[in-house]
Amino acid sequence: SQKIEQNSEALNIQEGKTATLTCNYTNYSPAYLQWYRQDPGRGPVFLLLIRENEKEKRKERLKVTFDTTLKQSLFHITASQPADSATYLCALDRPGGSYIPTFGRGTSLIVHP
Amino acid sequence: DAGVIQSPRHEVTEMGQEVTLRCKPISGHDYLFWYRQTMMRGLELLIYFNNNVPIDDSGMPEDRFSAKMPNASFSTLKIQPSEPRDSAVYFCASSLMSGSGNTIYFGEGSWLTVV
Repeated sequence: SQKIEQNSEALNIQEGKTATLTCNYTNYSPAYLQWYRQDPGRGPVFLLLIRENEKEKRKERLKVTFDTTLKQSLFHITASQPADSATYLCALDRPGGSYIPTFGRGTSLIVHP
Repeated sequence: DAGVIQSPRHEVTEMGQEVTLRCKPISGHDYLFWYRQTMMRGLELLIYFNNNVPIDDSGMPEDRFSAKMPNASFSTLKIQPSEPRDSAVYFCASSLMSGSGNTIYFGEGSWLTVV
């Protein structure tokens, strides 16, 4: 089965710096990969989707890369702000073409003012 | 749109009692998902429906759990009898499948505590 690895340790950075979060996976190569944000006490919220034939996707201060050779996605937040503090989850579609996502456990980001 | 609506938001119940969680998906979405989130196991898919039909319930932990979707605008997840290890946040989510992938829209969750 697909294994998704995200750093379980919180990432602490200073405001204004670039935050980089990692999502590694094993076995099956997904057709697409998604990143979600989750705030305490709330449900996850979709941020970005990147397909297997795309190397990079950007949205405002967010950038996602997808390296199918390394089986890794990197999620960058540039010019980070304290309001970016949250848990970020990556999700990959399950094998078999069903497009049903399986979620990683997420990495907590803390941006200090 | 109001988004995915779940109720109750919080529930505290005694072991052995029946618990029913409710969900109204986003209008027009054709997929509905029930997830459970705990610190230990993260976000787990319990079951999902396509056009009101259960497609995969392999994530349902045991027979004490059941889910129904009688129509396109309503679903329930029932636990009977409940046990302390069922304490978790239960999320309902919906999506509209496209060839571009499957972006999931989550509700705010139902926080269940079984004592």
